Amino acid sequence: SQTIHQWPATLVQPVGSPLSLECTVEGTSNPNLYWYRQAAGRGLQLLFYSVGIGQISSEVPQNLSASRPQDRQFILSSKKLLLSDSGFYLCAWMAGGPGDTQYFGPGTRLTVL
Amino acid sequence: AQTVTQSQPEMSVQEAETVTLSCTYDTSESNYYLFWYKQPPSRQMILVIRQEAYKQQNATENRFSVNFQKAAKSFSLKISDSQLGDTAMYFCAFRGGGATNKLIFGTGTLLAVQP
Repeated sequence: SQTIHQWPATLVQPVGSPLSLECTVEGTSNPNLYWYRQAAGRGLQLLFYSVGIGQISSEVPQNLSASRPQDRQFILSSKKLLLSDSGFYLCAWMAGGPGDTQYFGPGTRLTVL
Repeated sequence: AQTVTQSQPEMSVQEAETVTLSCTYDTSESNYYLFWYKQPPSRQMILVIRQEAYKQQNATENRFSVNFQKAAKSFSLKISDSQLGDTAMYFCAFRGGGATNKLIFGTGTLLAVQP
């Protein structure tokens, strides 16, 4: 069966510091991968998605970037964190067919101080 | 652009009773997918149920069922025999036929099941 991992689970970082969040998927190949952010008390907003290695699409212009160095690895990064980057970050994967479902990882809670 | 609206920020139900969560959406597409996700205090998003727009039959998963009204663009979730473990935030989500396959979420309904 497929599993999705995210780390770290919790992160507290000062303003201006760099960021690297990692997501990996097991048990499948060539998945579609997604990064979402959830602000307090709100729904999820798509940040980036990837349909293959090295293929990244951005949905919202911001202080973040994403990379997919391997088939089942998706990384969210920032060179300099802002206070507004605080939130709960969720990675999701989907098999890629039009009728497929997105499954989410456990998430990373990021607090920027 | 597609939008998803959940008009009930919070709801409460007694254990073993039935509760219905509302969701409406707006789209010009004819083929799409609708989902209900549950987010318990652990904050992991868990799929509860999904519905394909081309299917007239309402989806059912054990105690969870939906009332899908395509013409009215309504997609409500019914939870029967509510259990304490059902306490969570519930999100309605829409996915159209675009290349991103991205999900558009509502703002959620916080459901509290009371003993």
